[in-house]
Order: sequence, then C-alpha cells, then structure tokens
Amino acid sequence: GAGVSQSPRYKVAKRGQDVALRCDPISGHVSLFWYQQALGQGPEFLTYFQNEAQLDKSGLPSDRFFAERPEGSVSTLKIQRTQQEDSAVYLCASSSTPPGGFTDTQYFGPGTRLTVL
Amino acid sequence: ILNVEQSPQSLHVQEGDSTNFTCSFPSSNFYALHWYRWETAKSPEALFVMTLNGDEKKKGRISATLNTKEGYSYLYIKGSQPEDSATYLCASSSGTYKYIFGTGTRLKVLA
Repeated sequence: GAGVSQSPRYKVAKRGQDVALRCDPISGHVSLFWYQQALGQGPEFLTYFQNEAQLDKSGLPSDRFFAERPEGSVSTLKIQRTQQEDSAVYLCASSSTPPGGFTDTQYFGPGTRLTVL
Repeated sequence: ILNVEQSPQSLHVQEGDSTNFTCSFPSSNFYALHWYRWETAKSPEALFVMTLNGDEKKKGRISATLNTKEGYSYLYIKGSQPEDSATYLCASSSGTYKYIFGTGTRLKVLA
C-alpha cells in the first residue's frame, strides 16, 4: 500500500518568508510525528498528533513553528518568518499505535528539504 | 551515555565484505531500539524494532543484536552489496513515542 508522502520534496525560501510543508500519513494511522534533521545531525522530535489532537509540541523550536492535523489525517507544518537556522530536512512519520503501544514502528516519509537563503 | 551515539560515522567497504556498526544508547528507562535504512532521496525504511536484552533479529543478509544492560546494539551486514549503500539510523525510545536518533552511519559499498 501507499506509504507516507510529503510535499514539496524541496523548498527554497528567502529569509522572512512563510512556508507550509505537507504530510500525508498512511491511511488509518492514528499517530503522526514531525521531526527536524539539521545537517550532520540525527532527526529530532518536533511534535506529535493522535488523530486531530496535538498532544505534544515540546520539540517545536520557536513560536514561529506551528503544526496542525484538523481532520486527523493530513498534517501541515508551517514555519513563519523563516530564518537560516530553519534550513533542515523535515520528516513526517505515522504509526498505527493505539494509546500505550509505543513499540509500534513509525513509518517515515521521504522528507522535505528546506533551504532558507 | 546520555544520548544515542553511532559509530563509525561513515564507512567504505568492498562488495562482498561483511561489516558491522554500533549504536550506543542510555540503558536506563530503556524501552525499544529501532534500526532504519535510509537511501538517498527515499524514505527511511524500518529494519528492526528490538526490546528484549539478548534479542537478535535477521532480515536477509542484515542482522542486529541488542544488549540493554550495557546499552548497545550491533547491526551486521553479511556479504555487502552496492544496494546496501545507505545511511543506517538507530533510535531509542524510553517508554514514550519520542524517538531519540543517533546521527547515523553512512555506508558506501564499492563494486
């Protein structure tokens, strides 16, 4: 079946622009995660949704970052007034995890590479 | 160990060689260890999830072991092929949904 998809795959933004990154999780997956991977680093947790509820946004680096999943499927990560330090690969993952089943595998999309000039 | 660490950072091997890499993770509050293979321009592919001390998992020519008491996991590739070239990521989850990733081992298999 279809995996996790993300769009766009590449995004170049001028400093100060707003960007929106989209994630289409695997159909029926309850949990959705966003990660940020800076150059030379491993992916770092940003936020977690269970259905449409954003249960954890502790990893969002600033209030310029905002994520939503209004209908419990597609999610959008929005970055306002982009800065050069926002340049990274943004990964989305989904999991069929029911509450408490945290050994379930997270399935990742290919990522969006954001470059802020 | 406070973070997840992987070594080596990068590795070049000849086709047919066997190789292995290490993932070190905090042994306190351990819950699960995940291995992923990430080829350029593709999605990270889940290889293994391991939870029990002494676990050994195998998928084709790739296998992994887990030592939760000392906080490490080894990934082995037997008879490396060019298509094994990828970044191999490990991630630890300590009883939550948050994966803590290492920085990965970049493997290049030379034909």
